[in-house]
Amino acid sequence: EAQVTQNPRYLITVTGKKLTVTCSQNMNHEYMSWYRQDPGLGLRQIYYSMNVEVTDKGDVPEGYKVSRKEKRNFPLILESPSPNQTSLYFCASSSGGAVWNEQFFGPGTRLTVL
Amino acid sequence: AQTVTQSQPEMSVQEAETVTLSCTYDTSENNYYLFWYKQPPSRQMILVIRQEAYKQQNATENRFSVNFQKAAKSFSLKISDSQLGDTAMYFCAFRDAGNMLTFGGGTRLMVKP
Repeated sequence: EAQVTQNPRYLITVTGKKLTVTCSQNMNHEYMSWYRQDPGLGLRQIYYSMNVEVTDKGDVPEGYKVSRKEKRNFPLILESPSPNQTSLYFCASSSGGAVWNEQFFGPGTRLTVL
Repeated sequence: AQTVTQSQPEMSVQEAETVTLSCTYDTSENNYYLFWYKQPPSRQMILVIRQEAYKQQNATENRFSVNFQKAAKSFSLKISDSQLGDTAMYFCAFRDAGNMLTFGGGTRLMVKP
C-alpha cells in the first residue's frame, strides 16, 4: 500500500531534550516536506526537499533541522525543543517537482513539549 | 510571501443542502495552483480538488466544485448535497513554482442531520 508513515504518532517530552520524528514514504517520491499545524494558523511549511541531499527552508524553519540522505526518508530533528514547538506535525511527499502533483500526507505526530 | 485567507472559521449546513467555503489569496505570481484539502476528525489530510491558475474553467469533482476568480484572487469551494461524512476542517492552499505550499487557517464545517 502506498503511504507516508510517521513515528512516533504521539510524543510528550521536556524542554531541551533532543528528539527526532521520522518520516518514510514508499512511493519513490522526489519531493518531501514537513508542516506544523496550529489552531487558526492552518498548516505552515517547515522544510522541504526536492531530492536527496537537497533541502530548503519553508515559512517556519527556526528550531528545526532536516536531512535527506535517502530518497524514502526525511526525518525532522528538534535539537533543543521548546514549549512553542508543541504542535501537530505532518510529513508529506509528492512525485517530481511539479507543483500540480498531489501531496500525500502522513497521519500526523502530536508533539507536546513541557 | 504568499498569503491565504479563509474568513469563515466555522460553518454549518443541513444534510443534503449546499454550502460554499470562501478563500482568498494574495500573490504577484501569474502561474500557480490552488487546492482544497479536507481534514476529518482522523486528522488525515485528503485532497478534495485542485485548480490551475491558467485554466479558466472551474474544476469539478463529483459533489465538489470551485468558483475561481483570478482577478479577484478568490477560490471558493462549493459542496452540493452535503453528507454527514463531509464534516471536517477544510483548508485552502496555494502553491507556486517555488514549491512552497501555503495554507489558509481553515474552516470547520459541520453537517447537521
